[in-house]
Amino acid sequence: ELKVEQNPLFLSMQEGKNYTIYCNYSTTSDRLYWYRQDPGKSLESLFVLLSNGAVKQEGRLMASLDTKARLSTLHITAAVHDLSATYFCAVDGPMDSNYQLIWGAGTKLIIKP
Amino acid sequence: KAGVTQTPRYLIKTRGQQVTLSCSPISGHRSVSWYQQTPGQGLQFLFEYFSETQRNKGNFPGRFSGRQFSNSRSEMNVSTLELGDSALYLCATSRVTNEKLFFGSGTQLSVL
Repeated sequence: ELKVEQNPLFLSMQEGKNYTIYCNYSTTSDRLYWYRQDPGKSLESLFVLLSNGAVKQEGRLMASLDTKARLSTLHITAAVHDLSATYFCAVDGPMDSNYQLIWGAGTKLIIKP
Repeated sequence: KAGVTQTPRYLIKTRGQQVTLSCSPISGHRSVSWYQQTPGQGLQFLFEYFSETQRNKGNFPGRFSGRQFSNSRSEMNVSTLELGDSALYLCATSRVTNEKLFFGSGTQLSVL
């Protein structure tokens, strides 16, 4: 059974610091997704990572994928308060599940001024 | 272009009642997925519809059902509501399955 684990599940940090959120998955998957959810709001797509070694960056967020290690990282550089949100990763499930998305539990990130 | 529209935004029901939620996808999006989100259980997949056919179903009881119309709009229905059904119900759409998802604002359901 494909499982997706995120860590940490909760992170409180100061503005200006760097930190990394990790997303591990248990079996081979072709694609990995990162989504952001602001408090009381819906989810918004951040990145779609399609291949081993893929790296995507948007502003202070950078995501990477290592399919051999079954690991994706979401790196936050010089955090600002506006990045406070819950971050979810998800992967495509196996073909026999019609590639149903498997979601991590989410990492709640609080950035203090 | 218009985003994913979910109606209603808020709903208050009592135990035993039934409820229907609606999702209108972005034009051209044929895949519609439904999720239940609660503070304790996180994001739980309910089902996905593509071209009026249910492609995937999560581990929810039969009280939860859905359908998709020829214009790709989707509805989900919950019958015999229980207190534990109180949650934010999110609809997500895409052109094809598992392409980047676009989420609606959700329907916050409270069961009293």
